[in-house]
Amino acid sequence: AQRVTQPEKLLSVFKGAPVELKCNYSYSGSPELFWYVQYSRQRLQLLLRHISRESIKGFTADLNKGETSFHLKKPFAQEEDSAMYYCALWLSADGLTFGKGTHLIIQP
Amino acid sequence: ETGVTQTPRHLVMGMTNKKSLKCEQHLGHNAMYWYKQSAKKPLELMFVYNFKEQTENNSVPSRFSPECPNSSHLFLHLHTLQPEDSALYLCASSQTFLGQGNANTGELFFGEGSRLTVL
Repeated sequence: AQRVTQPEKLLSVFKGAPVELKCNYSYSGSPELFWYVQYSRQRLQLLLRHISRESIKGFTADLNKGETSFHLKKPFAQEEDSAMYYCALWLSADGLTFGKGTHLIIQP
Repeated sequence: ETGVTQTPRHLVMGMTNKKSLKCEQHLGHNAMYWYKQSAKKPLELMFVYNFKEQTENNSVPSRFSPECPNSSHLFLHLHTLQPEDSALYLCASSQTFLGQGNANTGELFFGEGSRLTVL
């Protein structure tokens, strides 16, 4: 069963517009959720984790247990935000399970 | 060299060949992973090694054989692969695999990947 769902394969927004990358998960316990990012020609890397409640590069993500969601948001998109974004769920038994990813394109 | 290094970066092999992918991490981590990244599919976890012991084999066909001689090195031995095995194979490492609530849990450091093409 798919544990992490990213419904948008591709998301295109204009520079300066708000961005929201959707992620829903399937897990009955207390999840540990992450967003990973892969910029062009770079390796996959951690962007942020929900447990830290931090903002990285202007991005935030709030865990909503009622909606089982962990959407990634940024109020004003920048061109350098163009990348592949992966939502991931950590389970100690299974390691890190990734969603299919969303390709974010920021248009000038 | 620091971080996670994978070699070779590109590999083309026939279905009857035997080859190996290598991964090395210089981060002092104790867990290492192999992931498969195919087009149109999410990243698939293949194998997990924790303190050199294999703790996860995610129903991977036996034509893929991992080896972890120490905490810094991880190999993926390939034998009689199929064209559908063509993909990007990513290695990753992490500080710890044990216990929930650990601040380091789930933070994986990835290599750049080995692009495999099976003819």
